[in-house]
Amino acid sequence: KNQVEQSPQSLIILEGKNCTLQCNYTVSPFSNLRWYKQDTGRGPVSLTIMTFSENTKSNGRYTATLDADTKQSSLHITASQLSDSASYICVVRSDSHNNDMRFGAGTRLTVKP
Amino acid sequence: DTEVTQTPKHLVMGMTNKKSLKCEQHMGHRAMYWYKQKAKKPPELMFVYSYEKLSINESVPSRFSPECPNSSLLNLHLHALQPEDSALYLCASSQERKGVGGLNTEAFFGQGTRLTVV
Repeated sequence: KNQVEQSPQSLIILEGKNCTLQCNYTVSPFSNLRWYKQDTGRGPVSLTIMTFSENTKSNGRYTATLDADTKQSSLHITASQLSDSASYICVVRSDSHNNDMRFGAGTRLTVKP
Repeated sequence: DTEVTQTPKHLVMGMTNKKSLKCEQHMGHRAMYWYKQKAKKPPELMFVYSYEKLSINESVPSRFSPECPNSSLLNLHLHALQPEDSALYLCASSQERKGVGGLNTEAFFGQGTRLTVV
């Protein structure tokens, strides 16, 4: 079973609308969680990083939340733009000495005009 | 410099060829990763090097052989690959920095090498 589960698998929204992506994880011990944006055929680009003591963090139109008790995170995108169309991947780092980073399956977001 | 540079960008190789993928970073990161990504799937962890030592091998077939000659370089040697090994191969590096709430991992990815095995 994957240690990082994301939902929905795909999402289509109209330009200008808001959306929220979900990430649940079982990675333990937990160190931090990152949201990445990945365009097709390109490497992932980091949007936010959160440690266990951080509940919310914003980066422009992106706002991430983290509930370390329930092991859930969300990524909220406001006023979506066509360029937001991409895969959004949740990556959880375990607090171990082997530098393990685990990926969720991603949410494929399509923003339509 | 916050870049992870991967070469080549594209590679086509036959099943009997030997080739190498290269990854370079000059951010002083001491953890480096190889991931394999098939179309419409998330990256799958292959190998992790911590301080130039192999710390994770996700049961990757021996036709993939990683090498970390120094703290800035990570190679992936390829030999006798199969067509199903065709994928985007991503390299990443990370460094932990202690923050208020815990460890902030700065992790950066390269743009990947698109590998096609024919």
